Amino acid sequence: SQTIHQWPATLVQPVGSPLSLECTVEGTSNPNLYWYRQAAGRGLQLLFYSVGIGQISSEVPQNLSASRPQDRQFILSSKKLLLSDSGFYLCAWSGGGSVREAFFGQGTRLTVV
Amino acid sequence: QQQVKQSPQSLIVQKGGISIINCAYENTAFDYFPWYQQFPGKGPALLIAIRPDVSEKKEGRFTISFNKSAKQFSLHIMDSQPGDSATYFCAASRETSGSRLTFGEGTQLTVNP
Repeated sequence: SQTIHQWPATLVQPVGSPLSLECTVEGTSNPNLYWYRQAAGRGLQLLFYSVGIGQISSEVPQNLSASRPQDRQFILSSKKLLLSDSGFYLCAWSGGGSVREAFFGQGTRLTVV
Repeated sequence: QQQVKQSPQSLIVQKGGISIINCAYENTAFDYFPWYQQFPGKGPALLIAIRPDVSEKKEGRFTISFNKSAKQFSLHIMDSQPGDSATYFCAASRETSGSRLTFGEGTQLTVNP
């Protein structure tokens, strides 16, 4: 069966520090991968998605970037964090093509102080 | 532009009652409508999904009703239980966007014992 791992679960970082969140998927190949952000009490906003290695599309302009160095690895990064980057970050995967179901990781709670 | 509008924002139901959450969408190109359940501090879990070629889908105590002409769909939780207390999100995607999901703002459901 497929599983998605996301770490760390919580992170407290000072303003101006770098960020690296990692997500890996097991049990499938060539998945579509996604990074979402969830503000407190709000819905999820798509930040980045990837349909293959090195292929990244950004949905909204921001202080973050994403990379996909391996087929089942998706990384969310920032060179200098802002207070507004605080939130709950969720990685998700789907099978691609006509397979529409998307499955989420357990999330990373990022607090920028 | 909020493409998926969800209501109510919060809902309190007695044990054994019916919980009803509604969503409306604007983009007629949407053709896949999932519902997610999220417990505090966890990632959303896919609950049930529907495509517009059917008007209703039932899985256990959970039913999606879909009205294509009104561009509305709803989640009904029959015999609601305290363990159903969570935040529920509706979402939508279109074929050309794969599993890139547009989410509603969420409904916090509380089921009192």
